[in-house]
Amino acid sequence: NAGVTQTPKFQVLKTGQSMTLQCAQDMNHNSMYWYRQDPGMGLRLIYYSASEGTTDKGEVPNGYNVSRLNKREFSLRLESAAPSQTSVYFCASSPSTGPPGNTIYFGEGSWLTVV
Amino acid sequence: SQQGEEDPQALSIQEGENATMNCSYKTSINNLQWYRQNSGRGLVHLILIRSNEREKHSGRLRVTLDTSKKSSSLLITASRAADTASYFCAPFTGRRALTFGSGTRLQVQP
Repeated sequence: NAGVTQTPKFQVLKTGQSMTLQCAQDMNHNSMYWYRQDPGMGLRLIYYSASEGTTDKGEVPNGYNVSRLNKREFSLRLESAAPSQTSVYFCASSPSTGPPGNTIYFGEGSWLTVV
Repeated sequence: SQQGEEDPQALSIQEGENATMNCSYKTSINNLQWYRQNSGRGLVHLILIRSNEREKHSGRLRVTLDTSKKSSSLLITASRAADTASYFCAPFTGRRALTFGSGTRLQVQP
């Protein structure tokens, strides 16, 4: 059982380049999330999808776009990467955004460096 | 903001000692969750306590919740070197997805 799978694991981008982080979960969860974590910091919510077909902004959505491709997959796109987007990105999922199913399951992270 | 604030930011103890971490939050909650993050890994859910519960146990973990003070604590008894990690609380207000604070970095010295 893979849980939440993110790709790529590591990526180096030049300023202005674009890229998409892919995420898939195999737990039949309705809700999916993208967080970023800067060195020594906590996690900040970028976007989330409460259910298939819906997406909502989190705390730090600027510079990002998301697509809930289907129930399993939730991608994060950086259209024009900036050094300030250097971070570790975590995809996560949960049965729902609210109780009783809002325990979140995280992927292993994608390390992104923008030079 | 619905995120919790963990205290202390860092904690260093000897193996076998107890570790206590605190979480404060600002608004009414439906439940509060604690997560652990080992270095370089994703967060892992530890325990959930509902707003109508005051204490919950899971193995060596004990969580308390005081809704009147808007605070929670996580106690790890008989700490092991493997408990070295960052610990995050996540209060859920019912309005949006879970958000996280900066965490408590626990170092357990063997």
